[in-house]
Amino acid sequence: QKEVEQNSGPLSVPEGAIASLNCTYSDRGSQSFFWYRQYSGKSPELIMFIYSNGDKEDGRFTAQLNKASQYVSLLIRDSQPSDSATYLCAVMITGGGNKLTFGTGTQLKVEL
Amino acid sequence: NAGVTQTPKFQVLKTGQSMTLQCAQDMNHNSMYWYRQDPGMGLRLIYYSASEGTTDKGEVPNGYNVSRLNKREFSLRLESAAPSQTSVYFCASRRDVGTGELFFGEGSRLTVL
Repeated sequence: QKEVEQNSGPLSVPEGAIASLNCTYSDRGSQSFFWYRQYSGKSPELIMFIYSNGDKEDGRFTAQLNKASQYVSLLIRDSQPSDSATYLCAVMITGGGNKLTFGTGTQLKVEL
Repeated sequence: NAGVTQTPKFQVLKTGQSMTLQCAQDMNHNSMYWYRQDPGMGLRLIYYSASEGTTDKGEVPNGYNVSRLNKREFSLRLESAAPSQTSVYFCASRRDVGTGELFFGEGSRLTVL
């Protein structure tokens, strides 16, 4: 079982809709969770981070964490064509020597 | 503020040749990382260094060596390049406090013929 799993997509949503991206992880010692966005040919950039169970909102983005079920999700409201990118979920394990493990990423396409 | 600087940005090697990818950060971060990215594979951790003087293997360390030269610099060496090492390589450093986010370099595209 992979440590961090994501559906590779592509996930296609119409402009203005809500995009929902999901990620599951295997290690219950995971403590910190990150969502990165990566445009084609570019470096990943941080979108959201979350440490505690529940929801965390930042503008159009909401991260949701459920440690009991071992999943973390990212909601993008009012999706725009500029949101079209690959979204990478990353997990850091407490006591793992600062090792950060990424999922394979989900490609999001926002269609006009 | 340069952030994380990787060199070279592009390199073509022949099978069996060696090379070193250089990475430097100017943010005074303790932790640094080397990832490779292949189509459909996401980012896979090669090696990381939690602090100056320490290095640890990640998911895919075979065929690579690293050196944490000082707090700023973390290099990745391919001793005998193989076509399977054709990839885009990213160096990153991690913010020690606050978000703990990674800051990435622009990437180095390596082709091994």
